[in-house]
Amino acid sequence: DVKVTQSSRYLVKRTGEKVFLECVQDMDHENMFWYRQDPGLGLRLIYFSYDVKMKEKGDIPEGYSVSREKKERFSLILESASTNQTSMYLCASSSAGTSHYEQYFGPGTRLTVT
Amino acid sequence: DAKTTQPPSMDCAEGRAANLPCNHSTISGNEYVYWYRQIHSQGPQYIIHGLKNNETNEMASLIITEDRKSSTLILPHATLRDTAVYYCIVRGYNTDKLIFGTGTRLQVFP
Repeated sequence: DVKVTQSSRYLVKRTGEKVFLECVQDMDHENMFWYRQDPGLGLRLIYFSYDVKMKEKGDIPEGYSVSREKKERFSLILESASTNQTSMYLCASSSAGTSHYEQYFGPGTRLTVT
Repeated sequence: DAKTTQPPSMDCAEGRAANLPCNHSTISGNEYVYWYRQIHSQGPQYIIHGLKNNETNEMASLIITEDRKSSTLILPHATLRDTAVYYCIVRGYNTDKLIFGTGTRLQVFP
């Protein structure tokens, strides 16, 4: 079974703190994704990576950065957390470019910035 | 990628078929229709996808109209565990990104 794990289910941080959200997948997938989910807005793509050290901006990259030093690990970084970054963060992974294309999601991290 | 339109919410009695519609009138010929669902407090989960033909798997059936401008996800015998938000997504042929809308919240009642 594909497994995508996220470092925390719940996280509380203070405004201005640097925050790291970690995601690990065990299926040797090329692609990894970070989304945030807010009520009434659905899932929005922040960043994705299609290979080690490669990244592309999604729809809402402002205030975030990412790191992918190893194939199985994709980190989302909030350089200086703000209250408007309080959200549910979801990580996903997928193999690249197959006709049967499926993204596998982790359980999510609910981040509260106070 | 083509946009999709779904009703915000639907109800279904347990044991009955749940038919969830999706409009994707701007879909192009090589774009796939995907369905995912998200049960409360979990990440989204793949259900099914199709290009032109109707598809069926152990979870659901997908009916795509001949002009491909709309589709219907069918859960043949809904259970309480099918209560979730269902997302209809059109995937571009040359991308590995999925664009999630706000989906349909399906409530299955006893």
